[in-house]
Amino acid sequence: GAVVSQHPSWVICKSGTSVKIECRSLDFQATTMFWYRQFPKQSLMLMATSNEGSKATYEQGVEKDKFLINHASLTLSTLTVTSAHPEDSSFYICSARDLMGTGAYEQYFGPGTRLTVT
Amino acid sequence: EDQVTQSPEALRLQEGESSSLNCSYTVSGLRGLFWYRQDPGKGPEFLFTLYSAGEEKEKERLKATLTKKESFLHITAPKPEDSATYLCAVQGGSNYKLTFGKGTLLTVNP
Repeated sequence: GAVVSQHPSWVICKSGTSVKIECRSLDFQATTMFWYRQFPKQSLMLMATSNEGSKATYEQGVEKDKFLINHASLTLSTLTVTSAHPEDSSFYICSARDLMGTGAYEQYFGPGTRLTVT
Repeated sequence: EDQVTQSPEALRLQEGESSSLNCSYTVSGLRGLFWYRQDPGKGPEFLFTLYSAGEEKEKERLKATLTKKESFLHITAPKPEDSATYLCAVQGGSNYKLTFGKGTLLTVNP
């Protein structure tokens, strides 16, 4: 149980284009999902908290207009990187809380999406 | 602000050589301390949640313990497949955000 998927697993795009990453909870409902980014040999940095049916909450320093988050259902959140630039190249990982799980505070992570902007 | 410091940054063991990883933390109102395993190019895999000082949890060759200031991940008789980065994270206050440490890269040689 508690499986989270991401799509795509890797993507290469040209500078100035937009890229959408999907995060799905496959076997549970998630009212809250989280988006992280991870640079090589660095730990995970929280970008934003995504709540189903409401606006996302962004961490300090994260541009809301650049990283658009939509959480349209209890099993799907999307992150769109708009007007991507090479410095946006990173490993993006989502996580989700299992609303009905015994460990109510636990987050389960997706496999990550490697974004390369050329 | 919540803070997590993991040590050592890297640890190299021989197969069967037991050791421990450390996670020191400061948090306002601990909700939980989490251990994850991360393989290269993959997302973190959940291992344990510890909620209060004195709590211990075990899974195969891994055992996690918690005090008011730190947590240890004990690895007994490790195997090469235990090689990974082990991440510690805390959750505190009134939200569900996780604050991660930088991780310990464990390498187990056969």
